[in-house]
Amino acid sequence: NAGVTQTPKFQVLKTGQSMTLQCAQDMNHEYMSWYRQDPGMGLRLIHYSVGAGITDQGEVPNGYNVSRSTTEDFPLRLLSAAPSQTSVYFCASSYLTSGNYEQYFGPGTRLTVT
Amino acid sequence: DAKTTQPPSMDCAEGRAANLPCNHSTISGNEYVYWYRQIHSQGPQYIIHGLKNNETNEMASLIITEDRKSSTLILPHATLRDTAVYYCIVRRYTSGTYKYIFGTGTRLKVLA
Repeated sequence: NAGVTQTPKFQVLKTGQSMTLQCAQDMNHEYMSWYRQDPGMGLRLIHYSVGAGITDQGEVPNGYNVSRSTTEDFPLRLLSAAPSQTSVYFCASSYLTSGNYEQYFGPGTRLTVT
Repeated sequence: DAKTTQPPSMDCAEGRAANLPCNHSTISGNEYVYWYRQIHSQGPQYIIHGLKNNETNEMASLIITEDRKSSTLILPHATLRDTAVYYCIVRRYTSGTYKYIFGTGTRLKVLA
């Protein structure tokens, strides 16, 4: 298993540009989520999904969109990048019904918005 | 939302037990406590979780107080590789699904 993969690893955007951060998992997990981590801070939940076609907002959803058309993929879209979105973005996945909801995290995408 | 409070940093001598406390005084009866750690800037790694009873696995032990308002993660014999940020997390059930609420974590430094 590749686990949770994220692309790209690094990205620099100009203010106002849009882009999509990719996340994929091959463990057939129902639950997938996106977090952002600012320097010296913990992780904050942006959006999450409990299955294909179902998404919901986390703590800091403004400026981001998500969709979940398949179980495997959960892309995060930045609609119009702002310097405040400079951060490290982590995708995670887990089972939802197995009893142990250990989340598996991807390696992260480091985004800089200038 | 149930939140967690952790000391920002701790030191521990190599080979000694590292005891990392967490306060989650607003936790509800069906909310689990999870512990993860993050080494450098990698993705967080699962360590252990529990609801009421104490738990142990090959990495660590988790001690949860009877009133469930706090817990302690124990690394029995800390090594230099255990230097990391440790997060205590409450898995909250809301709106028909689960959310993981991260705190700011404890930066553990294991000293040679």
